[in-house]
Amino acid sequence: KNEVEQSPQNLTAQEGEFITINCSYSVGISALHWLQQHPGGGIVSLFMLSSGKKKHGRLIATINIQEKHSSLHITASHPRDSAVYICAVRFDGTASKLTFGTGTRLQVTL
Amino acid sequence: DVKVTQSSRYLVKRTGEKVFLECVQDMDHENMFWYRQDPGLGLRLIYFSYDVKMKEKGDIPEGYSVSREKKERFSLILESASTNQTSMYLCASRGQGSYAYTFGSGTRLTVV
Repeated sequence: KNEVEQSPQNLTAQEGEFITINCSYSVGISALHWLQQHPGGGIVSLFMLSSGKKKHGRLIATINIQEKHSSLHITASHPRDSAVYICAVRFDGTASKLTFGTGTRLQVTL
Repeated sequence: DVKVTQSSRYLVKRTGEKVFLECVQDMDHENMFWYRQDPGLGLRLIYFSYDVKMKEKGDIPEGYSVSREKKERFSLILESASTNQTSMYLCASRGQGSYAYTFGSGTRLTVV
């Protein structure tokens, strides 16, 4: 069965902390996405990965294909990073379909 | 800036009403998608379209239909709204041969 699991479900951090959000999936994939959803609903694509590591500003995404695991890191966290972070994967052989994790709700406090 | 625009941010409809949710993209993307998002369940695919007048059922198509008469517009139709269709609805698009998705801002629908 094609499944995506994220952890933790909820995360509270103080400003400046280093944050890690994890995503595991069940079978082979062709791509993995990290998405950000702010209150109000709109979703922004942060990264798309099929191997290795990507960095954008204070955000870093890594993927280990053998272990079927990806992490999203936020360095020097800030209250404006407060959002829901969603992992979504495109499993091999599923054409256009993405399978989504249930999201990690992050709150960064002063 | 490329965009996917959903016509309403918030919508309240009565049980039994026919409801139209509209989505327009300006990126000339072939693929368009409708998802619903519910707490604890993540986003689930309702329908998608890979070309004008083409549509495919997703994971939860029951109670919904779609229309794609023009490339830029993908409409989700609730034929007879029910309270269990109260949800956040998100539209997305993707270009052919690309893995990158662009999402709309979402429509929060409440059926009373």
